[in-house]
Amino acid sequence: DTAVSQTPKYLVTQMGNDKSIKCEQNLGHDTMYWYKQDSKKFLKIMFSYNNKELIINETVPNRFSPKSPDKAHLNLHINSLELGDSAVYFCASSQVPERNTGELFFGEGSRLTVL
Amino acid sequence: GENVEQHPSTLSVQEGDSAVIKCTYSDSASNYFPWYKQELGKGPQLIIDIRSNVGEKKDQRIAVTLNKTAKHFSLHITETQPEDSAVYFCAAITGGGADGLTFGKGTHLIIQP
Repeated sequence: DTAVSQTPKYLVTQMGNDKSIKCEQNLGHDTMYWYKQDSKKFLKIMFSYNNKELIINETVPNRFSPKSPDKAHLNLHINSLELGDSAVYFCASSQVPERNTGELFFGEGSRLTVL
Repeated sequence: GENVEQHPSTLSVQEGDSAVIKCTYSDSASNYFPWYKQELGKGPQLIIDIRSNVGEKKDQRIAVTLNKTAKHFSLHITETQPEDSAVYFCAAITGGGADGLTFGKGTHLIIQP
């Protein structure tokens, strides 16, 4: 009965590969997000989707492409992985768009290591 | 855009003592200030929040204060316990704006037994 679940929890891959992280929420929320947390614990928003529509798209390389097949799922695909992509990626959801100050519910994170 | 500064980066206190974490923000239009707690290996979780029309809010051992004039807000934890050990993040957002939450860089709180 996990609220926000993301898979895989750990991902180790070589530079240049393409990988995906999947996220699902069963809270009935309309808005989902991807955050990146670097080695210094700094949390930064990457993308925000409301009801499958892109709302926020921070300055992120276009190697990162989010896809929302429905409002309960937001997947993150990364092409041509680089060393600097190593981080923990968090999926989150909220009942209202974040800009209207809704509480964020985070998944447990996916630790990506690029060798 | 909004910029949130958080201090200290690490805070070590004796069990039972109080802990205070401070944040400042840059955008005077920001109107919502949540605090998130992140335990090891988990995602951040909201513990308390405050809106710009309120100066203080308390929930059991935790409290948050907001000074809009000075653009700073603080988290206070009293009677600290071992389970309070975690990384704490402050954040700010301009409601209705195009940007999302801006997080501070986090404070690693260590409760010494």
